[in-house]
Amino acid sequence: DAKTTQPPSMDCAEGRAANLPCNHSTISGNEYVYWYRQIHSQGPQYIIHGLKNNETNEMASLIITEDRKSSTLILPHATLRDTAVYYCIVRANAGNNRKLIWGLGTSLAVNP
Amino acid sequence: DAGVTQSPTHLIKTRGQQVTLRCSPKSGHDTVSWYQQALGQGPQFIFQYYEEEERQRGNFPDRFSGHQFPNYSSELNVNALLLGDSALYLCASSKDSPGPNSPLHFGNGTRLTVT
Repeated sequence: DAKTTQPPSMDCAEGRAANLPCNHSTISGNEYVYWYRQIHSQGPQYIIHGLKNNETNEMASLIITEDRKSSTLILPHATLRDTAVYYCIVRANAGNNRKLIWGLGTSLAVNP
Repeated sequence: DAGVTQSPTHLIKTRGQQVTLRCSPKSGHDTVSWYQQALGQGPQFIFQYYEEEERQRGNFPDRFSGHQFPNYSSELNVNALLLGDSALYLCASSKDSPGPNSPLHFGNGTRLTVT
């Protein structure tokens, strides 16, 4: 079973920030939070990952709470091309357990 | 720089037949993982190959087998196809390292339909 919980769907207006929440209350100390997204008919695309500090790259920002039990992915200026299913995954970042366990994700609709 | 490429993009097979799906990893990557994604679901891990050996396996029957070649490309074979094997099959590659695992890069998948 997936170790994360996400809302099934969200809406966002084009040009506004999209804030996608994720709960991972059973996360272990050596597990990172990864975010991927999947645009219709394509393979998943890596967005960002982090351990405990907030992270930012050219695609998004990741905010992880101090207790690490939840996180938020922020798309600062959503565009129509950001419409996709967003998956939050926790995974140990080393060692022999290398598989990703996926939930159902959040279907984000960016509206004009 | 080519990303992960998979072939074919679509495939239709009959129940009981066998199928082979192919994957070329992203340049510089040496590890290949396979996932099955049913409609409306998240991907499910099938297995991972590194140094031409299966390193980790998910909860899939022995009908699912794979291979990795010296050039790091990989094949997924499914025997005795069932209707329930209809899904999008995704290949993902990464660079193995003794330290933190690198993020996976996915291909666009092979859509398998079993009739």
